[in-house]
Amino acid sequence: QKEVEQNSGPLSVPEGAIASLNCTYSDRVSQSFFWYRQYSGKSPELIMSIYSNGDKEDGRFTAQLNKASQYVSLLIRDSQPSDSATYLCAVRMDSNYQLIWGAGTKLIIKP
Amino acid sequence: DAGVTQSPTHLIKTRGQQVTLRCSPKSGHDTVSWYQQALGQGPQFIFQYYEEEERQRGNFPDRFSGHQFPNYSSELNVNALLLGDSALYLCASSFSNQPQHFGDGTRLSIL
Repeated sequence: QKEVEQNSGPLSVPEGAIASLNCTYSDRVSQSFFWYRQYSGKSPELIMSIYSNGDKEDGRFTAQLNKASQYVSLLIRDSQPSDSATYLCAVRMDSNYQLIWGAGTKLIIKP
Repeated sequence: DAGVTQSPTHLIKTRGQQVTLRCSPKSGHDTVSWYQQALGQGPQFIFQYYEEEERQRGNFPDRFSGHQFPNYSSELNVNALLLGDSALYLCASSFSNQPQHFGDGTRLSIL
């Protein structure tokens, strides 16, 4: 059974600090990795995609991938109250079309 | 440029009924995926449509069926509704295997 694991949280971070969200996956063949943000009652919104080992930065967001450790993370710098949401990690094998999702980590940014 | 649109927004049905949910993909997208998301859980893959055919299916019973039209829009049909089918149903579109973008979802409640 292919699995994607996330700490459900809530993760509480002071405004202006760095929020670190983690995700592990079980299938070594996984090749594509995605972070989505989901506000309560809304649909997931794509934040970042990452396909190769290392860091990928986009504004205040940095995704980090380590395929050897089967680990992908999302860092949010200068956290804002508007970043408070559930962050979902999704994984896909290139030979497959479906996304396998974690249950999400609830992030709370405290003013 | 319209994003992914889903209809209806909310729907209330009773057990045993049938329901049809609709999705129009983002302009330029040719692939539509459907997901079921229960409260507090990550999305669960139902199936994906490409070139008017079901390309891959998740672990859902045959009561769940779908269709893709020549204009790439899609429908999700669920027969013999059960209480457990109550969830947020999400449609996501993409161009080929590019990152998926979600519509606002249909909230289905079964009484």
